[in-house]
Amino acid sequence: AAGVIQSPRHLIKEKRETATLKCYPIPRHDTVYWYQQGPGQDPQFLISFYEKMQSDKGSIPDRFSAQQFSDYHSELNMSSLELGDSALYFCASSLVGLAGEDTQYFGPGTRLTVL
Amino acid sequence: AQTVTQSQPEMSVQEAETVTLSCTYDTSENNYYLFWYKQPPSRQMILVIRQEAYKQQNATENRFSVNFQKAAKSFSLKISDSQLGDTAMYFCAFIGSARQLTFGSGTQLTVLP
Repeated sequence: AAGVIQSPRHLIKEKRETATLKCYPIPRHDTVYWYQQGPGQDPQFLISFYEKMQSDKGSIPDRFSAQQFSDYHSELNMSSLELGDSALYFCASSLVGLAGEDTQYFGPGTRLTVL
Repeated sequence: AQTVTQSQPEMSVQEAETVTLSCTYDTSENNYYLFWYKQPPSRQMILVIRQEAYKQQNATENRFSVNFQKAAKSFSLKISDSQLGDTAMYFCAFIGSARQLTFGSGTQLTVLP
């Protein structure tokens, strides 16, 4: 079965640079989520999109923005990178059914290192 | 706001034996879902099992089963016949009306040969 695809898998940037992370959800899934997992921490919700519209926002810095495109893929844009942005960034997708079921399936993650 | 608590940072079990991981949560919502995800050394987040709060029957997936106690807000994971490949960080997670996962701090499980 098709899974969530994330690219790139690894990314190294300098402080104050910009990074763009891409996510391709499972086909026919209508919702995309972004999570940030720092070293030794649990994943923290950043933002989500339902049918290409932003639906929920978590602890996402103002330096970060995201969008979902017409083909349902999503991009997380991160500007003015700081050392503390070094983390594993997960994308997850789900199909929100009539019952409100929301089982999220995760991609392999993008490991961002800011030097 | 919802909170999820995993009070066992680390656990170990002998291969082929059974182990139970604990999780408690706090919420004022009545309709929600609970999950266990595993994160092996590859760091991939893999869904292990899901429980709907409106279902009284405990979920089971092969060697994995849960003990869901809604009144006590408890959601433990039992792994039977533990295998070396079960070594991973296990996260308990909650999702309610906000549709964003809230994770516990995780339990690092090591299966010993």
